[in-house]
Amino acid sequence: DTEVTQTPKHLVMGMTNKKSLKCEQHMGHRAMYWYKQKAKKPPELMFVYSYEKLSINESVPSRFSPECPNSSLLNLHLHALQPEDSALYLCASSPSGQGNYGYTFGSGTRLTVV
Amino acid sequence: GENVEQHPSTLSVQEGDSAVIKCTYSDSASNYFPWYKQELGKRPQLIIDIRSNVGEKKDQRIAVTLNKTAKHFSLHITETQPEDSAVYFCAASRVGGYNKLIFGAGTRLAVHP
Repeated sequence: DTEVTQTPKHLVMGMTNKKSLKCEQHMGHRAMYWYKQKAKKPPELMFVYSYEKLSINESVPSRFSPECPNSSLLNLHLHALQPEDSALYLCASSPSGQGNYGYTFGSGTRLTVV
Repeated sequence: GENVEQHPSTLSVQEGDSAVIKCTYSDSASNYFPWYKQELGKRPQLIIDIRSNVGEKKDQRIAVTLNKTAKHFSLHITETQPEDSAVYFCAASRVGGYNKLIFGAGTRLAVHP
């Protein structure tokens, strides 16, 4: 399995809702990432997990809460989002959190906040 | 922190021509430079990468060159085809930086038949 699987593919939520995005990989990668991508913009790093520990939090608002239950799974819990949070949320993984490796990206969750 | 600049923002070529996209980076400690292709509505996909101990790398019609002194690297696509049309992102990461990739702003390449 050489893929990163993200669910759901699309999500529409109200500003008072609580929802979760899920990401799974079975490549044995030990680093996983959440990126946010707005239309016509590059991906922006939100969180890095290395060996299931949060390594980097790029000053993301607390309404985004990451969770890494095990080395294969990465969740992003969403609560009280704003319309400007509407974007494509990409999960990625790489063999290690140390050293430099290319990422394998998931297909993303297209989130719309209404 | 690292800053990656990418040019041009849009590039239009005729099928069969070559395309060149250039990036500069600010952090001299950066040592890994991947390139991603993102088609409309799809995920970014790694197409080629280069490490700082190498000056050039080729994979069929795609090549990447790196000039560490000038802190810039370039993507070269030869014999372009309509299916090469996409947004291309360069990126950089540094040693010991938790493999944190910083992306350039992207280049929208259009290859016209």
